[in-house]
Amino acid sequence: NAGVMQNPRHLVRRRGQEARLRCSPMKGHSHVYWYRQLPEEGLKFMVYLQKENIIDESGMPKERFSAEFPKEGPSILRIQQVVRGDSAAYFCASSAGLAGGSTDTQYFGPGTRLTVL
Amino acid sequence: KQEVTQIPAALSVPEGENLVLNCSFTDSAIYNLQWFRQDPGKGLTSLLLIQSSQREQTSGRLNASLDKSSGRSTLYIAASQPGDSATYLCAVAGGSYIPTFGRGTSLIVHP
Repeated sequence: NAGVMQNPRHLVRRRGQEARLRCSPMKGHSHVYWYRQLPEEGLKFMVYLQKENIIDESGMPKERFSAEFPKEGPSILRIQQVVRGDSAAYFCASSAGLAGGSTDTQYFGPGTRLTVL
Repeated sequence: KQEVTQIPAALSVPEGENLVLNCSFTDSAIYNLQWFRQDPGKGLTSLLLIQSSQREQTSGRLNASLDKSSGRSTLYIAASQPGDSATYLCAVAGGSYIPTFGRGTSLIVHP
């Protein structure tokens, strides 16, 4: 049973380009969470999604960032017109059940390290 | 807004020592508290999860305690080994069930 998969593991973009980060949850998991880890800072929650629904996006910047988790395929975190301050490690986690339920344990992927030149 | 603080930020110890990592949080109305390990360039591995109704959890050489009233948790590592070298993160989940992470304690255990 493969764990949470993220790709690419490393992504380099120039300022103004778009970055697309992918997350495939563990088999049987329908809940995905995205976090960002800036250098010398802790992980910050960005967005919580269930298949085809955004449950909580309170941690997501209002501009340039979007996330989706379609019925088929991986969850995508999209950053438009990247700036240097977007350079960070982006982690995805998945859980089997709704946050707050008995199966809400989150399993983390290895992360995507985004570098903006 | 929940704030999570971890002390110390970094720790270097010789192999074999017993050590304690500290985590404090400002809002005691928590759902659970979790300790993670993060190796350089890697994702997070869950070590121990303590529900709000529990006082401690143990796994092998690791023991985590929770005191909600004082807003504190400790992670105790017995007989430390070089393989324990990593960053240890504390995460506290409240009413929204979304965890708030501390900045971590970077641990080096040297032979």
